[in-house]
Amino acid sequence: EPEVTQTPSHQVTQMGQEVILRCVPISNHLYFYWYRQILGQKVEFLVSFYNNEISEKSEIFDDQFSVERPDGSNFTLKIRSTKLEDSAMYFCASSRQPGQVYGYTFGSGTRLTVV
Amino acid sequence: SQQGEEDPQALSIQEGENATMNCSYKTSINNLQWYRQNSGRGLVHLILIRSNEREKHSGRLRVTLDTSKKSSSLLITASRAADTASYFCATDSGANNLFFGTGTRLTVIP
Repeated sequence: EPEVTQTPSHQVTQMGQEVILRCVPISNHLYFYWYRQILGQKVEFLVSFYNNEISEKSEIFDDQFSVERPDGSNFTLKIRSTKLEDSAMYFCASSRQPGQVYGYTFGSGTRLTVV
Repeated sequence: SQQGEEDPQALSIQEGENATMNCSYKTSINNLQWYRQNSGRGLVHLILIRSNEREKHSGRLRVTLDTSKKSSSLLITASRAADTASYFCATDSGANNLFFGTGTRLTVIP
């Protein structure tokens, strides 16, 4: 069964450093998303991406965050200057159609620890 | 906020029993989805029920939706130890993003 692949599975970074989280969505999917889950809290929507541009973003997704689909297969989330509160599990998801049709396929997540 | 709330927060049952988890939400929705998360792992899509549907089945899963009460339930029949996980409801208003609930931690005792 096709999977959404995320790398790395765990990343530790110093506060203030830039991090790039990588995702390989399912190959025939057109819609891409990032969510995050702070330990013990709800899964929160960050951003959705379609046709090479952001279609929706939440209040969490401020100027420190950016997304990119650099080469037609990868989908990345960049955090420019990490803060302690950015520590969370970050999930990438994709869907062939808008997620309200059949749902979303999530990756296994990248656990980001900011120290 | 249209974020869902599940109850109970934790549920412990014996293998073979049925498990019922409930979800309530606040605003109108396009659909409601249920996901499973094994400890420290990703989210697995289980089932999607649209706002004009009242009940849906998938294998041992049965989901109901009552839009008048803004609530949904997930029933897992004949539970197995492998069903041990956290279960989340997530609502979609049609804006192509999901609002997740707080989750129910299900433990199935062999």
